[in-house]
Amino acid sequence: KAGVTQTPRYLIKTRGQQVTLSCSPISGHRSVSWYQQTPGQGLQFLFEYFSETQRNKGNFPGRFSGRQFSNSRSEMNVSTLELGDSALYLCASSPSGTGGAGELFFGEGSRLTVL
Amino acid sequence: AQSVTQLDSQVPVFEEAPVELRCNYSSSVSVYLFWYVQYPNQGLQLLLKYLSGSTLVKGINGFEAEFNKSQTSFHLRKPSVHISDTAEYFCAVSEQAGTALIFGKGTTLSVSS
Repeated sequence: KAGVTQTPRYLIKTRGQQVTLSCSPISGHRSVSWYQQTPGQGLQFLFEYFSETQRNKGNFPGRFSGRQFSNSRSEMNVSTLELGDSALYLCASSPSGTGGAGELFFGEGSRLTVL
Repeated sequence: AQSVTQLDSQVPVFEEAPVELRCNYSSSVSVYLFWYVQYPNQGLQLLLKYLSGSTLVKGINGFEAEFNKSQTSFHLRKPSVHISDTAEYFCAVSEQAGTALIFGKGTTLSVSS
């Protein structure tokens, strides 16, 4: 069974640009969660999508948005990039969603560098 | 609101020595507890989880953790570490389904020979 696939793996943008990251979950998983990982703040929850609906959202500004398609693939978008958005963005999928007793299956991440 | 504190940001140990990575959590309700591991340039992988029942939980790669409700702790242990255990370890807590899984800031375990 293929794991969680994130694209692109690495990208460099400049301040003010926008970026779109993609995540393909494990087949059959309906939930996709996104996390931002930085050395200073660790892993911070961005949002979760379940069956195309945003079910939960972390404490990030509106520049961070996401969506989920009918095939469960998800994208997240960051507009008007700032230097502080440089991070590893991790996507995780699960059959039933985040929280509770379920395990999250993580992709290898998309490393974004903002110059 | 739930939170997780990993008490050590870095833990250096020698190969074949025992190790304990400490984790404390804060929550007003019953929780589920997890330990994940992240090897360099990879995503996170589940090591073990506590849902209910026995407070001693065994995971992959010889790791185990003990849930202590009175001390709100979930420390990770391994009796003898290998070079290959060098990685970052994250403790995480969740409440009911539909809420976010909250992670600690991680502990870097460095195993040297």
